[in-house]
Amino acid sequence: DVKVTQSSRYLVKRTGEKVFLECVQDMDHENMFWYRQDPGLGLRLIYFSYDVKMKEKGDIPEGYSVSREKKERFSLILESASTNQTSMYLCASTTGTDPNTGELFFGEGSRLTVL
Amino acid sequence: GQNIDQPTEMTATEGAIVQINCTYQTSGFNGLFWYQQHAGEAPTFLSYNVLDGLEEKGRFSSFLSRSKGYSYLLLKELQMKDSASYLCAVTDSNYQLIWGAGTKLIIKP
Repeated sequence: DVKVTQSSRYLVKRTGEKVFLECVQDMDHENMFWYRQDPGLGLRLIYFSYDVKMKEKGDIPEGYSVSREKKERFSLILESASTNQTSMYLCASTTGTDPNTGELFFGEGSRLTVL
Repeated sequence: GQNIDQPTEMTATEGAIVQINCTYQTSGFNGLFWYQQHAGEAPTFLSYNVLDGLEEKGRFSSFLSRSKGYSYLLLKELQMKDSASYLCAVTDSNYQLIWGAGTKLIIKP
């Protein structure tokens, strides 16, 4: 059974803390994505990666960075968490050269609260 | 700007049929997705339409009209487990994926 696993389902952090969100997929997919999901809004792309050590900014990269040292792992980093980064974070992966024409496989999400 | 419109919430009765609409205005078109997301869970893929017409997959069907910028997801023989949010997403000409805010479907006995 294909799987995308996010390291933490729920996190509570304080303003200014550094936050790491980890995502691992076991499908040998080239493409990995980080989205955030907020009530009343569509999914918003933060960063994506189409290969190891490659990264591209999405629609809302400010305040975030990413790391992809291994094909199966894509990490999202909040260097200094702020309250407006309180959200549900979803990791996804897919295969193929046109990453937005194939089925996305999502992790179950990491709900981050910044106090 | 690019935009995907879906109703925020719909209610239907167990055993009935419901149609969830999605209209889009995007820079070009390279496909339309429907995903299902149960509360607190990951979105899961339902369908992908590139060409006009209806595609049926069991109790679920998805329709696309590219000339009208319109799609719908049709759910038949509704079951309580179909209570979920349904997300519409469009790939534009730059292969960017644009997401709607989702439609929360409530099924009543």
